[in-house]
Amino acid sequence: GAVVSQHPSRVICKSGTSVKIECRSLDFQATTMFWYRQFPKKSLMLMATSNEGSKATYEQGVEKDKFLINHASLTLSTLTVTSAHPEDSSFYICSAITGTTYNEQFFGPGTRLTVL
Amino acid sequence: KNQVEQSPQSLIILEGKNCTLQCNYTVSPFSNLRWYKQDTGRGPVSLTIMTFSENTKSNGRYTATLDADTKQSSLHITASQLSDSASYICVVSADPNDYKLSFGAGTTVTVRA
Repeated sequence: GAVVSQHPSRVICKSGTSVKIECRSLDFQATTMFWYRQFPKKSLMLMATSNEGSKATYEQGVEKDKFLINHASLTLSTLTVTSAHPEDSSFYICSAITGTTYNEQFFGPGTRLTVL
Repeated sequence: KNQVEQSPQSLIILEGKNCTLQCNYTVSPFSNLRWYKQDTGRGPVSLTIMTFSENTKSNGRYTATLDADTKQSSLHITASQLSDSASYICVVSADPNDYKLSFGAGTTVTVRA
């Protein structure tokens, strides 16, 4: 099946710093990628839709200046959490669409962000 | 509002036993329903995808059923193994051309030796 990777898997940073998370589709090209956030024992919450070569579409309530998304190529999307605060601590998961019949989303392994 | 509700929230079973997880949804229109397995600290991995016309689909020891009339689905795990310990998430897609998915909160399964 399609493989999506994320880097780093874990990151700990100080409050006020910025953190970049990479999402890569390893064996397919993804014109569309998604960024989710997941709190403990909660379901995934869609943050934004990332389209290659264009601006990301953010869900209501998600600050676009806080969570910068760049989809520079067909295999790479990045999420930058700017001026991170402890409340930004969460599990961030990306996914990518392969363009199959169901437009199935393949998820990355996630990135655990802890802001001290 | 499209909703996906799963039950139970969590369950504990002995290795080798079977269990069934439930998913009720109010998503409309309906395109397809997916079951994912999410290990702790990992991303979700797809187990099955079913469209409106499919009643059942299997993936090894996992068997999913779908009743589109009553908007209910179940995931049956046969002969559970310790590696089945994970969260199982029911996800519904309303429109294949709309990438937004409706996620259930998941059922946490713990398999004990």
